[in-house]
Amino acid sequence: QLTQSPSSLSASVGDRVTITCQTSQSVDNYLNWYQQKPGKAPKLLISDASNLEPGVPSRFGGSGSRTDFTFTISSLQPEDIATYYCQQYDNLPLTFGQGTQLDLK
Amino acid sequence: QVELQESGPGRVRPSETLSLTCSVSGGSISGFYWNWLRQSPGKGLEWIGYIYYTGSTTYNPSLKSRVTMSRDMSTNQFSLQLKSVTAADTAVYYCARGLVETGSPIWGQGTLVTVS
Repeated sequence: QLTQSPSSLSASVGDRVTITCQTSQSVDNYLNWYQQKPGKAPKLLISDASNLEPGVPSRFGGSGSRTDFTFTISSLQPEDIATYYCQQYDNLPLTFGQGTQLDLK
Repeated sequence: QVELQESGPGRVRPSETLSLTCSVSGGSISGFYWNWLRQSPGKGLEWIGYIYYTGSTTYNPSLKSRVTMSRDMSTNQFSLQLKSVTAADTAVYYCARGLVETGSPIWGQGTLVTVS
């Protein structure tokens, strides 16, 4: 089970945004972070807890291992407004966090 | 560049079977895990299961009794059947490559299936 928080977040352009994901058992570093915009499939931003996917802006970052993970946007941009999900693939069934809906203050 | 495209009826009657196909272009089914997921309106993401290119399957226990997945190597497609559907099965259904292993997953665009 993945517990993601907060469930929603309002922030201003330029703010640092932090989302956390806690797992009920260790997933080692087999945790991904996705961005989803309305009507679109999720887009992988961070793989294996901290690896930035090719083409993803460097303002996105991830850290953590075992049961506690953090996703960060260092300086929020308007195009970052979306819902963000964590996902573990260490154990089956694959599971996702409940999502964090990010909007502009 | 590998692309995935879901296809199937947009509406299914309660108690009937939902059937979807995912067509893979730009690459082969061989060597990969092929997944189905869904997202109910306004809800989060739920993994339904995967079929490996060998044909072996693993399903989410929450849906296992109603799910069947298959693949056709000759047409580069894989399929989902979900039987005895109810309104709770209304969702956008996605197919995706990978997900259960290290490596960038590839998602289809999703298709909305309404049970009514």
